[in-house]
Amino acid sequence: DAGVTQSPTHLIKTRGQQVTLRCSPKSGHDTVSWYQQALGQGPQFIFQYYEEEERQRGNFPDRFSGHQFPNYSSELNVNALLLGDSALYLCASSLRLAGDTQYFGPGTRLTVL
Amino acid sequence: AQSVTQPDIHITVSEGASLELRCNYSYGATPYLFWYVQSPGQGLQLLLKYFSGDTLVQGIKGFEAEFKRSQSSFNLRKPSVHWSDAAEYFCAVGLTGGGNKLTFGTGTQLKVEL
Repeated sequence: DAGVTQSPTHLIKTRGQQVTLRCSPKSGHDTVSWYQQALGQGPQFIFQYYEEEERQRGNFPDRFSGHQFPNYSSELNVNALLLGDSALYLCASSLRLAGDTQYFGPGTRLTVL
Repeated sequence: AQSVTQPDIHITVSEGASLELRCNYSYGATPYLFWYVQSPGQGLQLLLKYFSGDTLVQGIKGFEAEFKRSQSSFNLRKPSVHWSDAAEYFCAVGLTGGGNKLTFGTGTQLKVEL
């Protein structure tokens, strides 16, 4: 049973560029949440997707957007990258009707130069 | 808004010693509570969770946690620490009854001395 997978593992971008991160949820899960974890901090909730719609959003600007596909996989897009966007981006999946247990992927390390 | 406090940024224990990591939360409703562990450069692994019922919950790797509503705490414990337990530990709180947004504490870095 495959867990949550994310790609790419690492990414280096320059300021102003755009980036897309990808996530495949754990088998049987229908909900995907994205978190940003800055160095030395706990993860911060970005947004959550269920039934291909954004259901909840944290305190992140509109430069952060996402998408969920019919197979439940998801993308996180960040436009106009800033140095402060450098972080580990974590994807978590869950089964909405089963409660609130989220299972996390290994993350994508984004470095903005 | 909910918040989670982990008052200890770093903790060092000797291998074989007992461990307690503190977690306090602020929440207006009955929370879902979690402990996750993160090894360097890795994602988060779920150690245990509390939704309802018995306030002492058992998790993986010999960890347990106790929910104390009167103290708004959910402390993580292990009777005997192994060197492989060295990692960062995060406490998190979620909404009851739906909505999977998790609010995390800032984490406690555990160092194990041999």
